[in-house]
Amino acid sequence: SSELTQDPAVSVALGQTVRITCQGDSLRSYYASWYQQKPGQAPVLVIYGKNNRPSGIPDRFSGSSSGNTASLTITGAQAEDEADYYCNSRDSSGNHYVVFGGGTKLTVL
Amino acid sequence: QVQLQESGPGLVKPSQTLSLTCTVSGGSISSGDYYWSWIRQPPGKGLEWIGYIYYSGSTYYNPSLKSRVTISVDTSKNQFSLKLSSVTAADTAVYYCARVEIVERAFDIWGQGTMVTVSS
Repeated sequence: SSELTQDPAVSVALGQTVRITCQGDSLRSYYASWYQQKPGQAPVLVIYGKNNRPSGIPDRFSGSSSGNTASLTITGAQAEDEADYYCNSRDSSGNHYVVFGGGTKLTVL
Repeated sequence: QVQLQESGPGLVKPSQTLSLTCTVSGGSISSGDYYWSWIRQPPGKGLEWIGYIYYSGSTYYNPSLKSRVTISVDTSKNQFSLKLSSVTAADTAVYYCARVEIVERAFDIWGQGTMVTVSS
């Protein structure tokens, strides 16, 4: 099965823009979905598909993809955006599997 | 709106079988647009997909767990369940159930999670 690779930690100054990336062969064929997880809470879907936000997700969250890399961009990061972020996609082997990235810890300075 | 709730024992002995149930409320598990999934997260670590089931009973499992996992569905109760056999301390984790949008494989609704500890 495929693997998705994320940077373990990223930091951003309050109000600035940050990009969190996810790399893997499956991303050449499928879009990534992105999840935000705060301590002690379940993950929350923030981006899916080409660049879709579920209801209630602020528009400062956006997604993009190029080649084998998917990106989650937070434009104007807020203190409440400090969290772990995970990507996932369908497996590239053509079956029904799913794979998650290892997660990125975002710190807002 | 649709909500998911996990239930089951919080402590399981090594070599025994872990059993959890996810109850879906506010919507039907028989919707053809979704899979119903289990995911786990060991303390301090990342998310691991365990598997999912379609309302018809078709199942898909993580290859690394396939030999020990069974996911089943009870449409009459609007529930789906997880059984993980021959557990060890490495299976200690928060277990989440989630709804999965089929096209993008987006996990759009999650339960709150339940901590399961494997210990004698």
